[in-house]
Amino acid sequence: DAKTTQPNSMESNEEEPVHLPCNHSTISGTDYIHWYRQLPSQGPEYVIHGLTSNVNNRMASLAIAEDRKSSTLILHRATLRDAAVYYCILRDLGGSQGNLIFGKGTKLSVKP
Amino acid sequence: DAMVIQNPRYQVTQFGKPVTLSCSQTLNHNVMYWYQQKSSQAPKLLFHYYDKDFNNEADTPDNFQSRRPNTSFCFLDIRSPGLGDAAMYLCATSRDPSGTQETQYFGPGTRLLVL
Repeated sequence: DAKTTQPNSMESNEEEPVHLPCNHSTISGTDYIHWYRQLPSQGPEYVIHGLTSNVNNRMASLAIAEDRKSSTLILHRATLRDAAVYYCILRDLGGSQGNLIFGKGTKLSVKP
Repeated sequence: DAMVIQNPRYQVTQFGKPVTLSCSQTLNHNVMYWYQQKSSQAPKLLFHYYDKDFNNEADTPDNFQSRRPNTSFCFLDIRSPGLGDAAMYLCATSRDPSGTQETQYFGPGTRLLVL
């Protein structure tokens, strides 16, 4: 699986939008971009994924650059419950049996 | 409703004493995974089962074994825990291991302490 690069940490204020960046300059044409997050003392949970087009769901939006070398996870209104480590992961058909290979992720802090 | 259940949430064992962690799922998924997550690190895959087929990661120590007696249950056995095996152990499931759009569903984890 291709590598991703994320900032170690970010801070946000409650009820403000948060943009979490991810660089994946070696992404291949078949790599899907997945985001998971891990709340304190819990297992990771799926957030969103996409290939080329921007994606929206009830949790977040995913904006993918035209060249696909970077993407941004957008939380439209951060809440205290969104404080977590956010992982950007690439998955491709040639990957190891679909395993998730976690990078270091971005630790998001949300201030009231 | 819990979909991936791990018991216990906290487990204390002694150095060298075998320990078993359990995971069950109500999703009827084909694949069950075990990850190890040490403090302040990202989860790392140990192995997974696709139905009854066991797939071990190349760098998983022999000290770690797994059993899957049926679709719903999967166990992680640590034969002789060392201090370095203290970690959070995460169980996850998915329908298909190879789908690039497949989502994995994680349990809450079992935190293992080795004394």
